[in-house]
Amino acid sequence: DAKTTQPNSMESNEEEPVHLPCNHSTISGTDYIHWYRQLPSQGPEYVIHGLTSNVNNRMASLAIAEDRKSSTLILHRATLRDAAVYYCILRDVFFEYNQGGKLIFGQGTELSVKP
Amino acid sequence: EAGVAQSPRYKIIEKRQSVAFWCNPISGHATLYWYQQILGQGPKLLIQFQNNGVVDDSQLPKDRFSAERLKGVDSTLKIQPAKLEDSAVYLCASSPFLTGDNEKLFFGSGTQLSVL
Repeated sequence: DAKTTQPNSMESNEEEPVHLPCNHSTISGTDYIHWYRQLPSQGPEYVIHGLTSNVNNRMASLAIAEDRKSSTLILHRATLRDAAVYYCILRDVFFEYNQGGKLIFGQGTELSVKP
Repeated sequence: EAGVAQSPRYKIIEKRQSVAFWCNPISGHATLYWYQQILGQGPKLLIQFQNNGVVDDSQLPKDRFSAERLKGVDSTLKIQPAKLEDSAVYLCASSPFLTGDNEKLFFGSGTQLSVL
């Protein structure tokens, strides 16, 4: 499984944008980039995913580098409820459709949000 | 839509005892996963089911852990006998297969196991 590298922790101020980086220099052409987050005492929850183009949804935006070796999760206005561990994960699209894909989690980035 | 249900929420046992966890996935989800999350680490995949068949159990310690998914719906994960290092949160997740949402895994809140 291809690996990702994320900072262990980051801090943000409430109502300011947050940019969470992820490096994945060994990404293959069939790997999707997925982001999940885990709030305290809860299971992980899906945030966003993409392949090549930037993606937006109600929770966040995903900016993918042109060479796909890095990506950034963008929270446009951090709130206290965004304090969580954020995981960047690569998921092989062909394995996914053949067998139902699996997620291999790394350590993630612990985001703290200050009022 | 109801989420993934897990029980119990907490369990405390002594080492060498046995324990079982239960998971009810989202209705219609063909794929079910069990993850183990040790404090301070990311979740580790233990086993993956597609309907009632095992797709991947390469990380499951089969000498003490077992899992089943009868009728392709509910699943149970059992540990017998438990060791101190099994103290962790056990997460169940489910995912639809070959539908528009099949990129997403939906997780339950987990069962927190303490082995004394």
